This record gives sequence, C-alpha cells and structure tokens, in this order.
Amino acid sequence: GESVGLHLPTLSVQEGDNSIINCAYSNSASDYFIWYKQESGKGPQFIIDIRSNMDKRQGQRVTVLLNKTVKHLSLQIAATQPGDSAVYFCAELNRDDKIIFGKGTRLHILP
Amino acid sequence: DGGITQSPKYLFRKEGQNVTLSCEQNLNHDAMYWYRQDPGQGLRLIYYSQIVNDFQKGDIAEGYSVSREKKESFPLTVTSAQKNPTAFYLCASSPGTGNSYEQYFGPGTRLTVT
Repeated sequence: GESVGLHLPTLSVQEGDNSIINCAYSNSASDYFIWYKQESGKGPQFIIDIRSNMDKRQGQRVTVLLNKTVKHLSLQIAATQPGDSAVYFCAELNRDDKIIFGKGTRLHILP
Repeated sequence: DGGITQSPKYLFRKEGQNVTLSCEQNLNHDAMYWYRQDPGQGLRLIYYSQIVNDFQKGDIAEGYSVSREKKESFPLTVTSAQKNPTAFYLCASSPGTGNSYEQYFGPGTRLTVT
C-alpha cells in the first residue's frame, strides 16, 4: 500500500549546525514529493518539491535528496536557525493525484 | 494581499450541534481541500474539490459535508454525526492537477466540542 513515514518524531539540533530530516515512502510508483514546514498553531508552508527524475534539488538553505532505490527522501537545512523550529512533513503524490502526508518530525533548535 | 483565509481561528461548540468552518481563497485556484490534524499526527484528507459544483470524499469524510458553489469558497460543516470532532482543521488550495501540485494552506481553525 501507500504510506509516507518519518524515521524520528523529534530532532534536536544545535543552532548553526546542519539539520537532516528523513522520510521513507512505500509506493515505488510515486513520482512527486513535497516538504512542508508547519510552525506552531499555523498551517503548513511549502518548502521544496522534487520529481522522481531528479536525485537532488536545492533551494535557499534547503536541499532535498531522493533515493529511489531505497525509497528514501531527506530534507537538509544548512546553518539551522531558531526560526527553523517547526514540524516538517514530507508528502507524496499518489496515483489519484492526492497528496499523502507523513506524520511529521519536530525540529528543535538548541541555543 | 492574496492568500487563503479561514475563520474563526478558534471555535467552541456543544456536542450535538452542527458547525460550519469557513475557507476563502483569492488565488484563483481551481482545487480546494479540507484536512484534519490531530495532536502529533499528520494531515488527513476530509474532502476535496477540483472544480466548482463538484467535490469528492477524502479518507475520513464520514460526519462532514462540504459545498463548492463558488470558486473562492469551500465551507466545511462538521455534523453531529462526527464522533470525534475536536481537532485542528486546515483548508488548502492549489492551481489543480497539471504542472503544480503545491498546496497553499490557510492558518487553520481549532475546533473544540464539549
């Protein structure tokens, strides 16, 4: 079946270090993935997306890596800042063109 | 100021009452969605609409109803049949299928039913 899951529910990172948030997916036919950031009490915000014909995509301070062989997706945040504290969701587009969200990883920034 | 709005931010109701959550967008998006989010959980799709006057059930539609009479508006009614209505409700819109699947989310409505 289709499922999107995250390896860790909470990640604590020192301010200034790089953060890596991981995500596993089970549907090998999925060809589009998105990362969202959700701050407390707010709606999710789009961060970056990637299609299955790419292995890597970079944005401002963020990089998404896609490993189709092991069905793994990761979000890397460079030089983590206090404003990066949030829950991060990976999501995948299923066969019916619906976005399926994972449960999320909470990123906690240590001073 | 373009975007998607939800009102109110907090809503309290007594058990047995129906309640309607508002969602409006001025992004000229064709598709609109309603999600439910419970503490420590991801988003679960309740209903979605890809065009005016048409909508489809999501994964957890039971106890909910929607309408899409206008492109800009997609209200969600939480009926008394919904067994666990207390949750954070998120509305989203997107340009629709095609090149972009990015969904733009509203700020959410936190519904508490006692």
